[in-house]
Amino acid sequence: AQSVTQLGSHVSVSEGALVLLRCNYSSSVPPYLFWYVQYPNQGLQLLLKYTTGATLVKGINGFEAEFKKSETSFHLTKPSAHMSDAAEYFCAVRLSGAGSYQLTFGKGTKLSVIP
Amino acid sequence: GAGVSQSPSNKVTEKGKDVELRCDPISGHTALYWYRQSLGQGLEFLIYFQGNSAPDKSGLPSDRFSAERTGGSVSTLTIQRTQQEDSAVYLCATAGTAINEQFFGPGTRLTVL
Repeated sequence: AQSVTQLGSHVSVSEGALVLLRCNYSSSVPPYLFWYVQYPNQGLQLLLKYTTGATLVKGINGFEAEFKKSETSFHLTKPSAHMSDAAEYFCAVRLSGAGSYQLTFGKGTKLSVIP
Repeated sequence: GAGVSQSPSNKVTEKGKDVELRCDPISGHTALYWYRQSLGQGLEFLIYFQGNSAPDKSGLPSDRFSAERTGGSVSTLTIQRTQQEDSAVYLCATAGTAINEQFFGPGTRLTVL
């Protein structure tokens, strides 16, 4: 079984400031990890994913995340927040072995960007 | 179409009525998932289809929920005798294969009065 914990249901940052959204996971086997973004009244859009290989992954819109196995973390960062980054962000985990590959999501973090 | 489409976008129904929600996948995508997004529970997996294999129904919350996928393409999620706790956004996602990235539709917002 796997689970995801996102610390902070709401995060506010000033425009131009660092964005840090935290995600910790638990998984019985090596996981695949994902960050999705959801804008109001829209579906989820993939920001980035970690499957194997390089632990620092870069995604769209300047976001990146680092897989840290020892800390069971996959925190999302962006050096400089833009107003357009205001949205809800979901961390998700999926088992890397055989199975139905459904995603297990965290509860989400709503990001507000203050001008 | 270019992406996953879902219909209707909004559905308001009365408690006890049956509803059908539709998902049109990206052409050629063999894997299809239904998730539910609600205020109290976040995003939850409901059911998964892969090609002609038997679906994984392990996430369906009760026997009032069922889904089918005809011809490996369009999928319909049916909720019978709706309850107020069924109010949520129902999201469909599809993938080229089971292990590929999942692309999500815009969802159907269901409100049960």
